[in-house]
Amino acid sequence: AQRVTQPEKLLSVFKGAPVELKCNYSYSGSPELFWYVQYSRQRLQLLLRHISRESIKGFTADLNKGETSFHLKKPFAQEEDSAMYYCALQAYNTDKLIFGTGTRLQVFP
Amino acid sequence: DAGVTQSPTHLIKTRGQQVTLRCSPKSGHDTVSWYQQALGQGPQFIFQYYEEEERQRGNFPDRFSGHQFPNYSSELNVNALLLGDSALYLCASSSLGLANTGELFFGEGSRLTVL
Repeated sequence: AQRVTQPEKLLSVFKGAPVELKCNYSYSGSPELFWYVQYSRQRLQLLLRHISRESIKGFTADLNKGETSFHLKKPFAQEEDSAMYYCALQAYNTDKLIFGTGTRLQVFP
Repeated sequence: DAGVTQSPTHLIKTRGQQVTLRCSPKSGHDTVSWYQQALGQGPQFIFQYYEEEERQRGNFPDRFSGHQFPNYSSELNVNALLLGDSALYLCASSSLGLANTGELFFGEGSRLTVL
C-alpha cells in the first residue's frame, strides 16, 4: 500500500536551532516526493520537490531509498518557519498526491 | 490573479442532505483535483478532472461526484451526507496534471459540517 508517515505531530525548537521534520514512505517503485507547507491563515503551497534538488527558504530534503525516507532539514530555524508541513508522495504514472498527516513546527524566539 | 477560488467557505448540512461545492482554478490551469481533509489529517485525494472528464479517482464512494465545465471550473457533489463527511474540502489546480512538476495550487477550502 502507498503510504506516507510523519511520526511527529508537533516539533518545537528555538530560533537558530537545527530542524529535521521526518517523513517515511511506503511504495514499491520510485516515487516522486514533495514537501508542502501551510503558514498561518494561508493556503497550502509547495515548498520543495525532490526531483529539483533545490533549497527553498534554507530547507533541503534528501531522498533515501534504502530507508524510504524524505526528511526535511534546515540548519538554523527562523520564527517565520513556524507552520504546518506535509510530506506527499506521487505514485508513478498518476497525478494524485498521497499526503502524510502533517507536522506542526513551532519556532520560539 | 486571484488564484484558486472556492465557494462557499463554510456550510452546515444535516445527515441525508446533498451539497455542492464550487471551484475556479488558477488562470491558465486546466486540471482540477479535489481533496478531503478531515481534522488532524492530511488531504486525501477524491478525484481529478481534465477536459471535463474524471481522470482519476481515489477511494471514495459513488456518493461523491463531480463535474468540470468548459471554462475549467469544477463542482464537487456529495449526496446522502454522513456525519463522517464533515471535513475541509480542498480544490487544487494544475496544468496537464502534475506532469513532472508536482505543484498543485490549492484554494482555501470549503469547510463542511454535517449535523
